[in-house]
This record gives sequence, structure tokens and C-alpha cells, in this order.
Amino acid sequence: DIVMTQSPATLSVSPGERATLSCRASQSVYSNLAWYQQKPGQAPRLLIYDASTRATGIPARFSGSGSGTEFTLTISSLQSEDFAVYYCHQFDNWPLTFGGGTRVEIK
Amino acid sequence: EVQLVQSGAEVKKPGATVKISCKVSGYTFTDYYLHWVQQAPGKGLEWMGLVDPEDAETIYAEKFQGRVTITADTSTDSAYMELGSLRSEDTALYYCARGPRAGIVALPADYWGQGTLVTVSS
Repeated sequence: DIVMTQSPATLSVSPGERATLSCRASQSVYSNLAWYQQKPGQAPRLLIYDASTRATGIPARFSGSGSGTEFTLTISSLQSEDFAVYYCHQFDNWPLTFGGGTRVEIK
Repeated sequence: EVQLVQSGAEVKKPGATVKISCKVSGYTFTDYYLHWVQQAPGKGLEWMGLVDPEDAETIYAEKFQGRVTITADTSTDSAYMELGSLRSEDTALYYCARGPRAGIVALPADYWGQGTLVTVSS
């Protein structure tokens, strides 16, 4: 199975600041990488797919980059509604796998 | 409007079987895969498997192989996830999710159900 490792586990950021989240795959997943946001009591929400393509309705402050084994999700200027847990997800190989998540909390 | 509506919470004893439903609307059921994802309390997401409603083909994660059965009923636009030999570690929220595809390649799930809580307790 492809292991997805996210860092840091928790990120403390002030509103308006930039947040940078990392995700590493145990083997190349090419650009077959997605990012999800999950808020308490809610289902995950697709933010990014194909490593850098924003899903429908996702604000431009969310951007993804990377390929192969190293990926980054950047939130350019954190809004109050962005404090949540973020998961990376590879869809290159079976079984599909998720990272352990990064919690973005208010500093 | 795309919607996936799951059945309600379940409480089961160890060793029992649970079957959760996911009724979809707002899109053509057979045009997308239907995934199931497990989320234990306070934990991350774990993919369990999927069904292709078009031909009923399934793919399961090895961790759940032998205990899980995912099916689709095109007459009611519903999918089902049955998990057997339940143990306390199966206590979790279970999500169904719509999976776009490019040919046979599964793309990331884009619409999710509300989740169904399964509690396994003696």
C-alpha cells in the first residue's frame, strides 16, 4: 500500500497568515493526488485534485503543488472558516489511501 | 442537486453484521463509482472499497477483504455496505461518496453522504 505522510500534525496560524501543509507519498503517485478539508461534524470536502486543480467552488486562496512523492497545499491568507483538518489522498494505486491529516488551528 | 443520503445510526454487538445504505439522487447512478470510507472517532479517513454500479464490479481494501460486501441496486439508485464479524475497533463513522472516473481510473470522490455512525458494543 502507498503510505501518505502529512506534516505537521498540527499547524497553528493566525487569521490572514499563510499556511503551508506537506504530504509525502511512499512511492510516486505522479499527479494523482487530492486534498480534502474536513470540519467537525461534517463530511470531507474536495479542495484539490490532480495535485493542483481546484475543485468546483473552491476559493483561489487554496493552491496545490507537487508531483511524484512530494506535495504541498497552501492557503494564502487564512480565513476563519479555513480552520479544519486537511487530508491528502492518493488515487494512483489500489488501495486508495489517505494521509493522517493536518489540523490547522487558530494561533 | 447531487445528494447522497445514508441510513441512520446503528448499534451492534461484537460478531454481528451491519448493513448501511446510501441513496443517491441528482446524477446518473451508473456513471460514477460509489466509494465507502471509514472514520474511527477522532481518527483519519480509511478507504474501504468501491462498487461500479454499471456492472456491480467491486474493489476492496485488503484490510476489509472477507468482511465487507459492497453492492449497488440500480432499480433504486442505492448502494449498500455490509460489514461482518464486527469488533469494537469497527466503531466508526462510515461515509459513502461519489467517485468520478476517467475510463476505469477512479478519480477523487467529490460528493459525500452525511455519514452513518456504527457503534459496536456488548
